[in-house]
Order: sequence, then C-alpha cells, then structure tokens
Amino acid sequence: QITLKESGPALIKPTQTLTLTCSLSGVSVDSYDMGVGWIRQPPGKALEWLAFVYFNDDKRYDLSLMSRLRIAMDAPKNQVVLTVTNVDPADTATYFCARRAGGIKSYGAIYFDFWGPGILVTVSS
Amino acid sequence: EIVLTQSPGSLSLSPGDRATLSCRASQSVSNNYLAWYQQKPGQTPRLLIYHASNRATDIPARFSGSGSGTDFTLTISALEPEDFAVYYCQQYGSTLPPMTFGPGTRVEI
Repeated sequence: QITLKESGPALIKPTQTLTLTCSLSGVSVDSYDMGVGWIRQPPGKALEWLAFVYFNDDKRYDLSLMSRLRIAMDAPKNQVVLTVTNVDPADTATYFCARRAGGIKSYGAIYFDFWGPGILVTVSS
Repeated sequence: EIVLTQSPGSLSLSPGDRATLSCRASQSVSNNYLAWYQQKPGQTPRLLIYHASNRATDIPARFSGSGSGTDFTLTISALEPEDFAVYYCQQYGSTLPPMTFGPGTRVEI
C-alpha cells in the first residue's frame, strides 16, 4: 500500500524559511518512473502546483515561485523535502505531496494518483 | 503557460441529475494530457480521469471524460450523494511549466 505523509511546522513567521518533508511508504522515491510533487491550497481556494522531482533527481518548478522554492530527494530516508524561502502570509495554505501516477509512458507527463493528507501551514507574526 | 478555465464556477443539482463540467485551455493541450480530480471538504484530491478520457482505478463508470485540444468535459451521468464536491482539471501537456490546475467547479445540492 502506497502512502505519503507531510510534516513540518504548523505556524511560521514572515520572512522565515519553510521546510516541509514528505515521507513515503510502499514505494521508493528513486524507483524507475517515480516522481513526487508538491501542491498547495490556500484556504477556500484552488490547487496550485509548486514543484516536482523525478526518480533521477530531475526537477521542475512553478515559474512564478521558482526563485523561492527548492525540492530535494533523500533516497535513503525515502523522503522528498520542499523549502520555501522568505515566506509571506500569502503562503498560508494546506501543502500536499503527491505521487506521480505509475505506468505513464511519456516522461514529461505528470499527474498524481496518491496524495498525502496535507499539512496546514499558517504564516503569521 | 497554459491557463485553464472551468465553468460553471458552481452547479446546483439533485441526486440522479446529470452533471456536465467544462474545462477550457488557453492553448491546445498536447496529447490531450488532461486529468480530473474530485475533492470533498477537508479531504485530499482524488484522481478520476487521466489522458482526458481514461478512468482511474476504482472510479465508477458514471464518471466519464471527453474532449480534445482546448475543450474538455467531465460528465457524471447520475449524481450520487457522495459526488457533491469540487472538481479540478489539470493539464500536464506543457513543458514550462509541466502542469497547471484549473480553478475548480463546485457541485452542490
């Protein structure tokens, strides 16, 4: 059974760096064709994709936020870490990590079949 | 960047009704790489449809996807009480960025 779970701070101050960890079980982050993405959802709003890392450490970022985002894979721990620098109240959201669906033939095609429960992060002084 | 527009923003229907949700892209979606997700309040998004028309594992047959190019549709043939939720489309046919989500359609009673 594949599961993902996000962890990190529930409250963070403006200008600080947010570090979130996605822990996976039932699948290895570095297994062929795997990939993990981070998606966030401000309260009452839509989903917003942030970043993605493939099994081979190839990375993708949302263009408008990429200067503030870093995604990293820790294969020994079977985790994917997202950092967001210089946070602002507008970064208040539930942050989800999700697994790239298996069996996709096209390398560049990314959609998600398993999601973590999400973690609500509030940015406030 | 491909921008997705979903319409209507919300839909008021009754159990047993047919629901038709639209997702329109600002430019053609390569290979019809479009997915649909369902999200209930306080829950995680659930993959319903991928490649525009393929049902994901364990998704009931009342959910169907269609469309190509810039216009896509999610149809729920006969609404069940558990289908009242927000539905998002996602395109994954572009390169930079590799994906975008639509703003969602709320299906409510």
